[in-house]
Amino acid sequence: DSGVTQTPKHLITATGQRVTLRCSPRSGDLSVYWYQQSLDQGLQFLIQYYNGEERAKGNILERFSAQQFPDLHSELNLSSLELGDSALYFCASSGGSDTQYFGPGTRLTVL
Amino acid sequence: EDQVTQSPEALRLQEGESSSLNCSYTVSGLRGLFWYRQDPGKGPEFLFTLYSAGEEKEKERLKATLTKKESFLHITAPKPEDSATYLCAVTQGGSEKLVFGKGTKLTVNP
Repeated sequence: DSGVTQTPKHLITATGQRVTLRCSPRSGDLSVYWYQQSLDQGLQFLIQYYNGEERAKGNILERFSAQQFPDLHSELNLSSLELGDSALYFCASSGGSDTQYFGPGTRLTVL
Repeated sequence: EDQVTQSPEALRLQEGESSSLNCSYTVSGLRGLFWYRQDPGKGPEFLFTLYSAGEEKEKERLKATLTKKESFLHITAPKPEDSATYLCAVTQGGSEKLVFGKGTKLTVNP
């Protein structure tokens, strides 16, 4: 158990809908990262927050957005969903070192 | 362009048959190289961080090494429970984002 929690575990929705994925980092970790894992692309970095502020952006679509709240939990919002957005979404956290600890992931299926 | 390339894509071993997985990288200004283990449908589990050429880290049957161009994950006398996908990732310069390879799927048969 990494100490990072993610909800929900599974999400099934329809094209055009909007969903919110939630992540709670390890106790004391200030950095939260979001990654997408699909069969063809592997694990891809989406975005990083540090203590509530956006720190780095990767291959994140404009339809996607994220935020980190004062209690350090983070949410990833995905809107106007397409079939190709079906993937595993992972949250990771770190604090004081380079090592990122990953949560169990949310499996998103868009029908 | 691929920055992190892992080989082989898949590897089948008999229990007790030692082998090595390769991770080559082309990033400049390597900050750190990371090995993770991932079981199907689960999140990546951290194994090792390596920072400089010549560095080695060990944990149970696993040993990770680093050169200027590649890293190896050596598996000694593997057991069926070592079956998983092993992921290599790097960070570079002032960035903290992990850039992953596609992974090596290891199967250890009893």
